[in-house]
Amino acid sequence: EDQVTQSPEALRLQEGESSSLNCSYTVSGLRGLFWYRQDPGKGPEFLFTLYSAGEEKEKERLKATLTKKESFLHITAPKPEDSATYLCAVPSSSNTGKLIFGQGTTLQVKP
Amino acid sequence: DGGITQSPKYLFRKEGQNVTLSCEQNLNHDAMYWYRQDPGQGLRLIYYSQIVNDFQKGDIAEGYSVSREKKESFPLTVTSAQKNPTAFYLCASSPGQGAGPLHFGNGTRLTVT
Repeated sequence: EDQVTQSPEALRLQEGESSSLNCSYTVSGLRGLFWYRQDPGKGPEFLFTLYSAGEEKEKERLKATLTKKESFLHITAPKPEDSATYLCAVPSSSNTGKLIFGQGTTLQVKP
Repeated sequence: DGGITQSPKYLFRKEGQNVTLSCEQNLNHDAMYWYRQDPGQGLRLIYYSQIVNDFQKGDIAEGYSVSREKKESFPLTVTSAQKNPTAFYLCASSPGQGAGPLHFGNGTRLTVT
């Protein structure tokens, strides 16, 4: 069964305190892993796509990496505006275009 | 600017009433999706459509219905048969089946009392 698990559920950091979010996945034949950012009351905003183990993508203070079983979203020197819920998702192995989402990590960065 | 428009942003209904949520996209995407988001449960797929005049049930389709008469539009009806309709509803689209990430609208928060 396809499954995506994110940890931790919540993370509180001080401004400038770097950390990582984890996304573990179980899917037959990975066809991409997607990271999204979601602000309260808004829809998820696409951040990154990773396709193969060893791949890395960066955007400002965020860097996403991928292994054969998990992905990490590294946040370097975060700022309060990085506070949001971060979601990861993988395409279903049934090839319907459906995405399987993790439950998300809610990040709070305090000044 | 291309994107997905969901309306209204907030919707209030009495129990027993059907309600329709609007979703329009101008991205020329073939595939469209409806997800439901509840606190602590992540996003769950309600219905999806890969082409006009065709749609499939997702994981939690009971109590919902959809139509896809136009490529740009994929309205969702929450019927009185849906036991727990209060939730945040998200519409999404993608260029086609399995073709990359989904693009989301900004959601409709439905409250049924």
